[in-house]
Amino acid sequence: LAKTTQPISMDSYEGQEVNITCSHNNIATNDYITWYQQFPSQGPRFIIQGYKTKVTNEVASLFIPADRKSSTLSLPRVSLSDTAVYYCLVGTTGVYNQGGKLIFGQGTELSVKP
Amino acid sequence: GAVVSQHPSRVICKSGTSVKIECRSLDFQATTMFWYRQFPKQSLMLMATSNEGSKATYEQGVEKDKFLINHASLTLSTLTVTSAHPEDSSFYICSARADRVGNYGYTFGSGTRLTVV
Repeated sequence: LAKTTQPISMDSYEGQEVNITCSHNNIATNDYITWYQQFPSQGPRFIIQGYKTKVTNEVASLFIPADRKSSTLSLPRVSLSDTAVYYCLVGTTGVYNQGGKLIFGQGTELSVKP
Repeated sequence: GAVVSQHPSRVICKSGTSVKIECRSLDFQATTMFWYRQFPKQSLMLMATSNEGSKATYEQGVEKDKFLINHASLTLSTLTVTSAHPEDSSFYICSARADRVGNYGYTFGSGTRLTVV
């Protein structure tokens, strides 16, 4: 399982764009990159997943360079409710992956201020 | 979408007693479920992986006789903390994986806050 490295914490203000970068130098060919969000005393919630280039959904964008050794989660115009811990995970996925397990790194604690 | 229900959300028990936590997949069949533990200001730590109808696989350092996991059906897994002690106080989270495409297939429960007094 590829290890991930993220900043421990980040501060931002409402309305700003926040970019959280995750390093995963040992990512394997079959690995996908997935980001989760966790609020205090709640389980993690899926945000976005990608394999290469750029992925966008209604919540965030995920940028993955060609070498896939890092990825950047972009949150547009954050609000106070985006204050949470964000985890970057790397691993295989899919219907036929038996036994695959999600290993969480330390995550990034994002604090959004008014 | 996929929903995982975890119960109870909060429990307080006396030292030496046992506590059972339930994890149910409400609208899908989960062949594999995972149990995590999370201490304050720390990340989630995987405790064990359970597959329906077979014994759970525990991560290194997790006592299988203390944390009993049962995955008797495709929609229910239980974690029993036996002879609980104050050091077992933590936030326990389950995750279920559906054998289907998309969304990485993993959904998390809302967690159980266990306090042992």
